Amino acid sequence: AQSVTQLDSQVPVFEEAPVELRCNYSSSVSVYLFWYVQYPNQGLQLLLKYLSGSTLVESINGFEAEFNKSQTSFHLRKPSVHISDTAEYFCAVIRSGNYGGSQGNLIFGKGTKLSVKP
Amino acid sequence: GAGVSQSPRYKVAKRGQDVALRCDPISGHVSLFWYQQALGQGPEFLTYFQNEAQLDKSGLPSDRFFAERPEGSVSTLKIQRTQQEDSAVYLCASSLALGVPGELFFGEGSRLTVL
Repeated sequence: AQSVTQLDSQVPVFEEAPVELRCNYSSSVSVYLFWYVQYPNQGLQLLLKYLSGSTLVESINGFEAEFNKSQTSFHLRKPSVHISDTAEYFCAVIRSGNYGGSQGNLIFGKGTKLSVKP
Repeated sequence: GAGVSQSPRYKVAKRGQDVALRCDPISGHVSLFWYQQALGQGPEFLTYFQNEAQLDKSGLPSDRFFAERPEGSVSTLKIQRTQQEDSAVYLCASSLALGVPGELFFGEGSRLTVL
């Protein structure tokens, strides 16, 4: 079975500061990795994903995450945050390969609340 | 509509009451998922439909929970004889059957409070 650990439940930072949200996973099989974001009063949205290929993946709003197989990590980073990045961020994993009839059974971490202060 | 729509957004039930939560997925999305998110926790998988077929219900916590999607579009999650531990946000998500695994589109959720 897979599991996801997000070590920090809350991360307060000042605007324009760098941030790293940590995510570690455990799995005995190959996995795909995701970061979802939930802005206040909105549903979860896919931020970025790692499926294969380059271990560094980027989002359209400046976030990036690096898949590190040896450390079983998928930390999310942004060099300079904005007030608008205030949200809750969820790391998620799904086993890779043939799904058969059950596609998309994501396993989520508990989430990290990022609070950006002016 | 453009996104996944869930109703009601908020529901307060007395312990022992039955509740029904509705999900209207994105048009054309074959796959539909229900997740439960307790306070301070991440979403946890409940059940999965492909069209009208319920292919995985391994996450349903008890036989009081029942989900259906009779025509392969709108889905209803029903909870019978609600208990306080059922209080949570219930999330619905949909995806293209042949889309990227794990790339789900979520609704805003239905927050259930059982008194």
